[in-house]
Amino acid sequence: KAGVTQTPRYLIKTRGQQVTLSCSPISGHRSVSWYQQTPGQGLQFLFEYFSETQRNKGNFPGRFSGRQFSNSRSEMNVSTLELGDSALYLCASSPGQGPTQETQYFGPGTRLLVL
Amino acid sequence: AQSVTQPDIHITVSEGASLELRCNYSYGATPYLFWYVQSPGQGLQLLLKYFSGDTLVQGIKGFEAEFKRSQSSFNLRKPSVHWSDAAEYFCAVGRDSGGGADGLTFGKGTHLIIQP
Repeated sequence: KAGVTQTPRYLIKTRGQQVTLSCSPISGHRSVSWYQQTPGQGLQFLFEYFSETQRNKGNFPGRFSGRQFSNSRSEMNVSTLELGDSALYLCASSPGQGPTQETQYFGPGTRLLVL
Repeated sequence: AQSVTQPDIHITVSEGASLELRCNYSYGATPYLFWYVQSPGQGLQLLLKYFSGDTLVQGIKGFEAEFKRSQSSFNLRKPSVHWSDAAEYFCAVGRDSGGGADGLTFGKGTHLIIQP
């Protein structure tokens, strides 16, 4: 089975712009979660989608949003980019409904640099 | 709210020596515990997980971890490290929110350096 794929792998944007990141989960997985990784804050949970619905959300401002399509692929959008949004954005998929015990499998990440 | 502490930011171990990475968690109920490894520029790879049952869990690449409820710890061990084990190691805790993946809480990570 192919793993979690994320596109693009690298991205450079300027302040004020918006960006969309894409994540394709492992085939058959219905849950997709997004995380932000920075040197200062470490790994932080952004949100989780299941069956095209956002089920859980971390503590991030409304500039961060996402969606999930019927094929379980997910996109994450960040509007009005700030310098502090520079980070590695990781997507993780898990098989589906259920508690966190369903192990999350991570993609390689998209590295976003905001200038 | 749950939290995870990895007390060691950096650890240096000689190749062939044993390894123990520490992880302490704070959570009111029985947690779900994970260890992930991240190589430079890569995503996270799951090493092992604990949900319930036997408190000593085996993972990939020769790693094991022991859940100790009394100490709120989930330390990762390996009897003999290889140069390829050099990476960043993350301990994470999850919880049963009843409504799906509620997001893992990660420690800050331990950077493992292997000396030849």
